[in-house]
Amino acid sequence: TQLLEQSPQFLSIQEGENLTVYCNSSSVFSSLQWYRQEPGEGPVLLVTVVTGGEVKKLKRLTFQFGDARKDSSLHITAAQPGDTGLYLCAGAKQNRDDKIIFGKGTRLHILP
Amino acid sequence: NAGVTQTPKFQVLKTGQSMTLQCAQDMNHNSMYWYRQDPGMGLRLIYYSASEGTTDKGEVPNGYNVSRLNKREFSLRLESAAPSQTSVYFCASAGINSNQPQHFGDGTRLSIL
Repeated sequence: TQLLEQSPQFLSIQEGENLTVYCNSSSVFSSLQWYRQEPGEGPVLLVTVVTGGEVKKLKRLTFQFGDARKDSSLHITAAQPGDTGLYLCAGAKQNRDDKIIFGKGTRLHILP
Repeated sequence: NAGVTQTPKFQVLKTGQSMTLQCAQDMNHNSMYWYRQDPGMGLRLIYYSASEGTTDKGEVPNGYNVSRLNKREFSLRLESAAPSQTSVYFCASAGINSNQPQHFGDGTRLSIL
C-alpha cells in the first residue's frame, strides 16, 4: 500500500508566525499536488509540483518537491487567519491510469 | 462556473432507508470519484469511474453502489443506510487521465439515525 504521511496532524499558531508542514512517502511520484479545504467546502487545488527539487510560490505559500520525488513541504510565511483550513497532499504516479493518493491532511488554525 | 455539483447538501436518514447522492460535472472530465471524509480518517475512496461505462471499487465500497449515468453524472446509492455511513461525502472529477488533479464538489453531509 502506498501511503502519504502528513505531519503534523494539527497545528495552531499565532497570526504572523511562520510554519512548515510535511508530506512524506517511501514511494516515488511523478507529481505531487497540494489542496486546501475550508470548513463546509470541498478541497481546492493550490499547486502541482512535477520536477524533483522544484519550488513554487503562491503569495506567502512556498511549496517544494523533494529531490527524489518522495516528499514535499509547504511553508507559510507570516500566517494569516485566512490560511486556516485542512491542507492535503496527493501523489500521482507515472501511469496515467493510476489514481492519485491522498494523505490524511494537516489541520491548521491561525489565531488572530 | 459550476464545476462539480452535488445534491443534496444535507440529508438525515433512518437506519434501513435508501437514498441516492447525485453528482454532475460540466468540465468534460473522463474520471469521477466518490469519497467519504470522517474525522481523523482523511478522504477514503468508495468507488470511482475511470471513464463513461466503467466503475471500480475503491478502499471502502461495502454498503454502496454507483452508476455512471453518462459522462457528466456519477451517482452513489446507499441501499440500506447504517449509522456507520454517517459522514461527509465528496464527489470529484479529473481530466483526461486518472492521475490528474481532482476537482471536488462541496459535499453532502449525511446523518444516519
